[in-house]
Amino acid sequence: KAGVTQTPRYLIKTRGQQVTLSCSPISGHRSVSWYQQTPGQGLQFLFEYFSETQRNKGNFPGRFSGRQFSNSRSEMNVSTLELGDSALYLCASSLREVYGYTFGSGTRLTVV
Amino acid sequence: TQLLEQSPQFLSIQEGENLTVYCNSSSVFSSLQWYRQEPGEGPVLLVTVVTGGEVKKLKRLTFQFGDARKDSSLHITAAQPGDTGLYLCAGASFNKFYFGSGTKLNVKP
Repeated sequence: KAGVTQTPRYLIKTRGQQVTLSCSPISGHRSVSWYQQTPGQGLQFLFEYFSETQRNKGNFPGRFSGRQFSNSRSEMNVSTLELGDSALYLCASSLREVYGYTFGSGTRLTVV
Repeated sequence: TQLLEQSPQFLSIQEGENLTVYCNSSSVFSSLQWYRQEPGEGPVLLVTVVTGGEVKKLKRLTFQFGDARKDSSLHITAAQPGDTGLYLCAGASFNKFYFGSGTKLNVKP
């Protein structure tokens, strides 16, 4: 079966711009989570969506937002980009948390 | 502070050596997973353990879940350069998911 697909794979944006990242989960997985990973901070939880509702949220500013569609596909948006937003953004989907998550390959965002 | 503490943070060993990575918490988890991540890629799920005291083996990797479901260990026998990567433990508790800070393993040929 197809894995978790994230697009685009790489992205370069300028400070102040906004960006939208996309994630298609494994078919049948209704839970989709987003993580930010940087060398200094490790894997930081952004938010989780389940059946189009945000179920959990991490400690990120309001510039970071997301949504989930009825087909479970999810997008995350970052507005007013800052240099510190440069990171690998990972999406993961799950049937149930107890089984663990399947991750996509990530979107490498570079803000210049 | 992290809910899940991993140790050691870094490990550099020679090919053929054995190693153990630990994942500890004061909280109880309904399940615990181990992931391995290579640079520029997403973490890949290695194993899920759900029962206290459970031991799972995956070729040269042995995973153990503590009796109280608060801790876990990953043991690698005869490490190979292909084992190099970032090892992450993660626990599920009340519809939330928590990751450890990771152990960066480097196996030198």
